[in-house]
Amino acid sequence: NAGVMQNPRHLVRRRGQEARLRCSPMKGHSHVYWYRQLPEEGLKFMVYLQKENIIDESGMPKERFSAEFPKEGPSILRIQQVVRGDSAAYFCASSSVIQEGYTFGSGTRLTVV
Amino acid sequence: DQQVKQNSPSLSVQEGRISILNCDYTNSMFDYFLWYKKYPAEGPTFLISISSIKDKNEDGRFTVFLNKSAKHLSLHIVPSQPGDSAVYFCAASVAGANNLFFGTGTRLTVIP
Repeated sequence: NAGVMQNPRHLVRRRGQEARLRCSPMKGHSHVYWYRQLPEEGLKFMVYLQKENIIDESGMPKERFSAEFPKEGPSILRIQQVVRGDSAAYFCASSSVIQEGYTFGSGTRLTVV
Repeated sequence: DQQVKQNSPSLSVQEGRISILNCDYTNSMFDYFLWYKKYPAEGPTFLISISSIKDKNEDGRFTVFLNKSAKHLSLHIVPSQPGDSAVYFCAASVAGANNLFFGTGTRLTVIP
C-alpha cells in the first residue's frame, strides 16, 4: 500500500515560469491537503480538497496559485508566474478521517531562480 | 496569525533523559491535537494525538499532556534516544473540520 506520492521531489523554475506539483493520495483516502513550508517557518495550510471539490482554500494566495483534485488522476497544485518568494517545500497530505491524522508525502522542493 | 505556537525552536537532551516539547494555542475551538515528527528531506509522520476530552495519552515512550484551561500541550519522550532527533510539529483541529493548524516546530537533538 503505497503512501502519499508527490512528484517531482525537486523542481527548479525560472522567474515567470509555471510550476506544477502533483500528489497522489493514499489508497482509500478521499481528502487531500496542501501545505507549504517556507525556510525557517512551520507548515502553513494552503488548501483542502476532495474529489472535484475545493473545500477550503483559505490559505491559498489570492493570485497565481490554484489547486485541483480531478475525478481521475492526482491532485495538482499549480503556481503561475513563479517568483523567488515561492521557493519552499510543498507538502501534500491525505486522510480518511482526521482522528487518524494525515499521511504526508515527502514533499516537492521548489526553487525559483 | 499563528494559532498554534511552539516557542522553543530547538532543544538538546542527553540520551536516556526526558525530552519535553511544548505547544500553546489560542483558538478555544480546537478540540483535537496531534504531534508530528519530521526528518530532513522527508514528510512529517504522525506520532500521537489527543482529544480535548482527555488530559493525557500515552503510547510507549511518548506521552502527550493537554491542559485546556492553559491552552497548552506538551509531548514527553522518555527515555530519549538518538533516533528521536528530528523536528517535532504540534498541530490542532477544530471539531468538524479536517484541516490542521501547525506550529513552527521544535528541533530536538538527542546527544548520545
